[in-house]
Amino acid sequence: EVQLVESGGHLIQPGGSLRLSCAASGFTVSSNYVSWVRQAPGKGLEWVSIIYSGGTTYYAASVKGRFTISRDISKNIVYLQMDSLRAEDTAVYYCAREPSSAYDPFDYWGQGTLVTVSS
Amino acid sequence: SYVLTQPPSVSVAPGKTATITCGGINIGSKSVHWYQQRPGQAPVLVISYDSDRPSGVPDRFSGSNPGNTATLTISGVEGGDEADYYCQVWDSSGDHTNWVFGGGTKLTVL
Repeated sequence: EVQLVESGGHLIQPGGSLRLSCAASGFTVSSNYVSWVRQAPGKGLEWVSIIYSGGTTYYAASVKGRFTISRDISKNIVYLQMDSLRAEDTAVYYCAREPSSAYDPFDYWGQGTLVTVSS
Repeated sequence: SYVLTQPPSVSVAPGKTATITCGGINIGSKSVHWYQQRPGQAPVLVISYDSDRPSGVPDRFSGSNPGNTATLTISGVEGGDEADYYCQVWDSSGDHTNWVFGGGTKLTVL
């Protein structure tokens, strides 16, 4: 059974750093595409970043240069390193899987982890 | 960057048909995916590649993408369909490559 479990979200001060984890089971992160998607309180979905099966990465303009997506194939985990955090980064962060290609929809999502950026 | 436009809200009586639109420049040339998100839950895929229905999704859900507007149609609406719905496309043009979501449509069952 495919599962994604996010962790690492908590209250952090502006300018701080945080690393989120997305633990995958039922599939291998080295053979699939994994994205991070966030949702600010009461707002819509915003795509954040993707890591391809081959390791290529892309970022939304709003986080480029501040966030870094990576993975540990041995642990089957995808990470999102978030630096220089701002109040507008406050959101629930979801990881989601695309099974085969960059054009595939997100067929499985995690339950999300809440990041709150506030002093 | 590419923009997808959805109506903020749609209301429909039980048993009737709900139509949710997603507009974008030349969207007919892109593949559109649709997600349902109930309050407090993660999104769930309900339509992929314009009109494909994933396993487990009722056949009351259908989609089309004929031109400048993609459409999600829910026939015989039930109370459990009340949720937010989002369209999504992959955009790779110019100097960027990314997923784009519409702003979301809140479906209210009267």
